Amino acid sequence: QVQLVESGGGLVKPGGSLRLSCAASGFTFSDYYMSWIRQAPGKGLEWVSYISSSSSYTNYADSVKGRFTISRDNAKNSLYLQMNSLRAEDTAVYYCVKMATPRIHFDYWGQGTLVTVSS
Amino acid sequence: NFMLTQPHSVSESPGKTVTISCTRSSGSIASNYVQWYQQRPGSAPTTVIYEDNQRPSGVPDRFSGSIDSSSNSASLTISGLKTEDEADYYCQSYDSSNVVFGGGTKLTVL
Repeated sequence: QVQLVESGGGLVKPGGSLRLSCAASGFTFSDYYMSWIRQAPGKGLEWVSYISSSSSYTNYADSVKGRFTISRDNAKNSLYLQMNSLRAEDTAVYYCVKMATPRIHFDYWGQGTLVTVSS
Repeated sequence: NFMLTQPHSVSESPGKTVTISCTRSSGSIASNYVQWYQQRPGSAPTTVIYEDNQRPSGVPDRFSGSIDSSSNSASLTISGLKTEDEADYYCQSYDSSNVVFGGGTKLTVL
């Protein structure tokens, strides 16, 4: 069965950096687009970024463009999110999500990792 | 960029039918597929409807989706409500450069 396990969340000061990782299993990782979606405490879902199966294409929400970088390692079945210049408003649970390629539909979600940006 | 607007909350009794709307602010609702996700407290979202009206395997046929071009909106209808349907529901769509979620609707089954 599909499993997505996020790691790397934690407490970071404003302006700091953090790298999230996601270990995928139960499907052919290299065949699928992958995404990061976040949810601030008590708030709704916000799409952050997605990456194509071969890493040739990436897309970002305006709120993180220029600060966050999505990447993947198909040999390690892993997805990453490098987050720089973090702000208080980036505080959220970050979900690693498999996309139902070629559709823009999120069919499997990890349990999420909490990122808290606070001084 | 477009927005998807949902009612903040809806409530209905067990056994009844409820419909949650999702209105697209600009661009045609029919131009890109709409998905619906259910999120129970403390859990990650799961898909209940994809591509406007398709149900993933395992989702009961009490859940249905539709789009209405005249109102530029999508709808999620849940019939025969059960207490286990109490959750937050989010619509989602996209265009050439963005993925957009609605703000979410809290469904209370009382």
